[in-house]
Amino acid sequence: EAGVVQSPRYKIIEKKQPVAFWCNPISGHNTLYWYRQNLGQGPELLIRYENEEAVDDSQLPKDRFSAERLKGVDSTLKIQPAELGDSAVYLCASSLAAGQNGYTFGSGTRLTVV
Amino acid sequence: QQQVKQSPQSLIVQKGGISIINCAYENTAFDYFPWYQQFPGKGPALLIAIRPDVSEKKEGRFTISFNKSAKQFSLHIMDSQPGDSATYFCAFLSGGSQGNLIFGKGTKLSVKP
Repeated sequence: EAGVVQSPRYKIIEKKQPVAFWCNPISGHNTLYWYRQNLGQGPELLIRYENEEAVDDSQLPKDRFSAERLKGVDSTLKIQPAELGDSAVYLCASSLAAGQNGYTFGSGTRLTVV
Repeated sequence: QQQVKQSPQSLIVQKGGISIINCAYENTAFDYFPWYQQFPGKGPALLIAIRPDVSEKKEGRFTISFNKSAKQFSLHIMDSQPGDSATYFCAFLSGGSQGNLIFGKGTKLSVKP
């Protein structure tokens, strides 16, 4: 079975430019998460989807970040405009349901803002 | 936001030795404690998990020990191998059984041959 697929793997942009990340979760996984991992730190949750509904976006900086999960499958995370401090690895994960189920993470998108 | 303290930040162990990583948490409402393993350039992968109704869980060379009264849980890697060199994260569910995973800051393990 294919795992969680993310693209692109790497992205370098200038500050103030927009950027988008794409995630395809494991088939049948209703719950999708976006995490941000700063260098040398653990992943931090940005947003969680149950099917197409964002059920927890309390940690998403809504002034510049947005996300969508159309049709409850693929998801896109966008930053506009990007700031230097947004440089990090953006991880997507999915699970059958929220809670005590193993999350499967993708390999992430490494964003560098210059 | 971090409610779990993980230590040490880095660890160097000789091949065949025992690696021990510790985590301490604050909120007694958590009821699921997984450990994740992350290799460079990869996302974290679930290694082993425990619920607080047991004090220990073993899977191969990996063991979780859980001390509910002390609010601590630890990962033990027996007979550590160079292939175990990775970053390890403890985590817990925040917000009840339907909540989100909150991760510790990680421990970078290096196993020397």
